[in-house]
Amino acid sequence: DTGVSQNPRHKITKRGQNVTFRCDPISEHNRLYWYRQTLGQGPEFLTYFQNEAQLEKSRLLSDRFSAERPKGSFSTLEIQRTEQGDSAMYLCASSLQEGPQHFGDGTRLSIL
Amino acid sequence: GQQLNQSPQSMFIQEGEDVSMNCTSSSIFNTWLWYKQDPGEGPVLLIALYKAGELTSNGRLTAQFGITRKDSFLNISASIPSDVGIYFCAGQLSGNQFYFGTGTSLTVIP
Repeated sequence: DTGVSQNPRHKITKRGQNVTFRCDPISEHNRLYWYRQTLGQGPEFLTYFQNEAQLEKSRLLSDRFSAERPKGSFSTLEIQRTEQGDSAMYLCASSLQEGPQHFGDGTRLSIL
Repeated sequence: GQQLNQSPQSMFIQEGEDVSMNCTSSSIFNTWLWYKQDPGEGPVLLIALYKAGELTSNGRLTAQFGITRKDSFLNISASIPSDVGIYFCAGQLSGNQFYFGTGTSLTVIP
């Protein structure tokens, strides 16, 4: 399968714990995006990378959130000191330049 | 952020019927995309539109980029049960960020 891959698919953790998600984009895509989606809503933009450079961050991305794409291939999204409000589906997408974005199946985060 | 209004919010139709949904914004967009999302999965790209007035088809799906660049329409002809899902529009301003609508939930009754 050459689509966008996200791991894990589900993550359940206690409030206050740190979590890290991984995204492997489509191999030839140089852009990688992170979104958050809550029930009944469309995806909300968090941040995006062009190759290894993080070029844009949403105001939704608080200090507790950090994303990296060290070699311009896979990316990680870390949430520190998780809160109840962080419960959501975290989606990754990739694209070739400004072309249409292709999404992975997401990581569903549940905070107990 | 930008607000994209999708309507209707939900639709219940008989198998075989045609479906129309739309997406409007107060901003002018350079690109419109339409996605379908099934429960527990990520959105899947259906159609991409790049020019005002553009009309593009993908099988039974047809989408149009509105002339004003502030809206887009998606039509599904002869609906089938597997068309069930949530349909999202997404618009791109200049730059790289896409803004998503709140979705249209489609139920097809066999």
